[in-house]
Amino acid sequence: DQQVKQNSPSLSVQEGRISILNCDYTNSMFDYFLWYKKYPAEGPTFLISISSIKDKNEDGRFTVFLNKSAKHLSLHIVPSQPGDSAVYFCAASDNQKLVFGQGTRLTINP
Amino acid sequence: EAQVTQNPRYLITVTGKKLTVTCSQNMNHEYMSWYRQDPGLGLRQIYYSMNVEVTDKGDVPEGYKVSRKEKRNFPLILESPSPNQTSLYFCASSFQGGKAYEQYFGPGTRLTVT
Repeated sequence: DQQVKQNSPSLSVQEGRISILNCDYTNSMFDYFLWYKKYPAEGPTFLISISSIKDKNEDGRFTVFLNKSAKHLSLHIVPSQPGDSAVYFCAASDNQKLVFGQGTRLTINP
Repeated sequence: EAQVTQNPRYLITVTGKKLTVTCSQNMNHEYMSWYRQDPGLGLRQIYYSMNVEVTDKGDVPEGYKVSRKEKRNFPLILESPSPNQTSLYFCASSFQGGKAYEQYFGPGTRLTVT
């Protein structure tokens, strides 16, 4: 039973354009949502997060949107840069546990 | 430098031979956790610990053991490894007062069981 789902295994975007990564969840007890970025041969690194009491959080080029009624989370990267090419994981927390999606491989084309 | 370290980084072993993967953090974090990453399945939590001497099962605990005798260390033990435990393993720790929020990850341990 996959509680957090990223339905797009991969996404290709042109440099300078907007990248939008999506994530859906099923457990309404999740109270905190996060995005992680992972390069090959490295551990995931924290990117941005949002509490369930908010609907938007922005940090530089990265914005996370939360739609609680739809149980949907998205990450917007504007403008996309070559260094953004990586695997992105969304994750949800119920305070004790962090549940990850399957990941989306983002490729930024020059 | 604040970090989570794991050893070994790479390990090839045979079925049934007990092994331990060590994890250590120098950030005085209360929360620590182990994950495995498999293709198409993302990261799945094996065990977590919200403080010293407090551990609990994650989503895929079968075949694994952990202990938390001191705050900085959280070793993962495979008593009798099997080929389906071939995976990429990550240790992580969190500064959020023992909660599973933003976590720092180690570099990973690639385990192959033949």
